[in-house]
Amino acid sequence: RKEVEQDPGPFNVPEGATVAFNCTYSNSASQSFFWYRQDCRKEPKLLMSVYSSGNEDGRFTAQLNRASQYISLLIRDSKLSDSATYLCVVNYDMRFGAGTRLTVKP
Amino acid sequence: EAQVTQNPRYLITVTGKKLTVTCSQNMNHEYMSWYRQDPGLGLRQIYYSMNVEVTDKGDVPEGYKVSRKEKRNFPLILESPSPNQTSLYFCASSFGGGAEQFFGPGTRLTVL
Repeated sequence: RKEVEQDPGPFNVPEGATVAFNCTYSNSASQSFFWYRQDCRKEPKLLMSVYSSGNEDGRFTAQLNRASQYISLLIRDSKLSDSATYLCVVNYDMRFGAGTRLTVKP
Repeated sequence: EAQVTQNPRYLITVTGKKLTVTCSQNMNHEYMSWYRQDPGLGLRQIYYSMNVEVTDKGDVPEGYKVSRKEKRNFPLILESPSPNQTSLYFCASSFGGGAEQFFGPGTRLTVL
């Protein structure tokens, strides 16, 4: 089993839709969790950290479920500009998931 | 401006010709790492460094070398490149292993 797994997608959604991605991890001792965004083979950039209690940043909400060992990212009111690949990152040694590709269509 | 720089950005070379990809950060970060990204495989860590003169293997270190003689620089060395090292390479830095990483713009390497 891979240490960090994501559904590769692609997720194709219309503007205004709500979309959610999950990322499962295998190391139960994992402490650090992040979501990164990557545009078309450019460098990944931090979207948001994921805190135990869950956290929100505008239209984006991140959740952590330690019991089931996954983190999630919810995007509300999707914009065309949200089209990108979303990477989850887990643990001290920063293991990346393979990424979930999102395309938001008019 | 806080940034991570990589050079070159694009490189086409031939099998066996030694090359170095430079990486430099100006944020006084202790932790630096190298990743390669291949379609369908995501980012895989090649090597990382917790501090000057401290380096360790990541998940795919074969065929690569690194050094960390100064805090700001972390070059990636391919002693004898092979076609299976054709990839997109990213350097990253952070204050620590579990902290937000800042990435360089990437180096697209083609080995013929």
